[in-house]
Amino acid sequence: EAGVAQSPRYKIIEKRQSVAFWCNPISGHATLYWYQQILGQGPKLLIQFQNNGVVDDSQLPKDRFSAERLKGVDSTLKIQPAKLEDSAVYLCASSPVSLAGKVTGELFFGEGSRLTVL
Amino acid sequence: EDKVVQSPLSLVVHEGDTVTLNCSYEVTNFRSLLWYKQEKKAPTFLFMLTSSGIEKKSGRLSSILDKKELFSILNITATQTGDSAVYLCAVEAYNTDKLIFGTGTRLQVFP
Repeated sequence: EAGVAQSPRYKIIEKRQSVAFWCNPISGHATLYWYQQILGQGPKLLIQFQNNGVVDDSQLPKDRFSAERLKGVDSTLKIQPAKLEDSAVYLCASSPVSLAGKVTGELFFGEGSRLTVL
Repeated sequence: EDKVVQSPLSLVVHEGDTVTLNCSYEVTNFRSLLWYKQEKKAPTFLFMLTSSGIEKKSGRLSSILDKKELFSILNITATQTGDSAVYLCAVEAYNTDKLIFGTGTRLQVFP
């Protein structure tokens, strides 16, 4: 079974530039999550999709971050304009159903996209 | 505000040592606690705990949950260099459908 695919793996930009990250979840997984992991911290949820609808985006800085999951499959996370504090690893994860409906509570993570903002 | 606190933040041991990682939490409507191992790549799932006092075990790793005292421990016996990683604890609450992660414990095992 193919895992969660993310690209690019690394990105270096200057502040005020824009960047986009792409995620392709495991086939058939209805729920998709974007997490931000700043160095030395645990992952923080940015946004959660159930199919192509947003379930939770309460911690997404909407003035600069946006995300979409057209057709309920792959997803794009965009940052525009980037700030220095956006330097982090952006992790995408997927799950077959919502956590509340899943026995193991397991999320399947991609390898992440490391963003450096100079 | 829901929160998850892990300790220690960092741990350095020699191969063969036994380590105990701690995770305490404050979550409204607790549903489950999960442990993940994160090397240089994606976090990988280790355990999910929902009931107090029932040990989950996988090889040299084991974990237990105390819902009264609001904490969990992850034990690793006979550590190996391959155990070097960041161990993340996450908690899930009913009706939120999301995981709240702690900052992680960085474990380094030297030969």
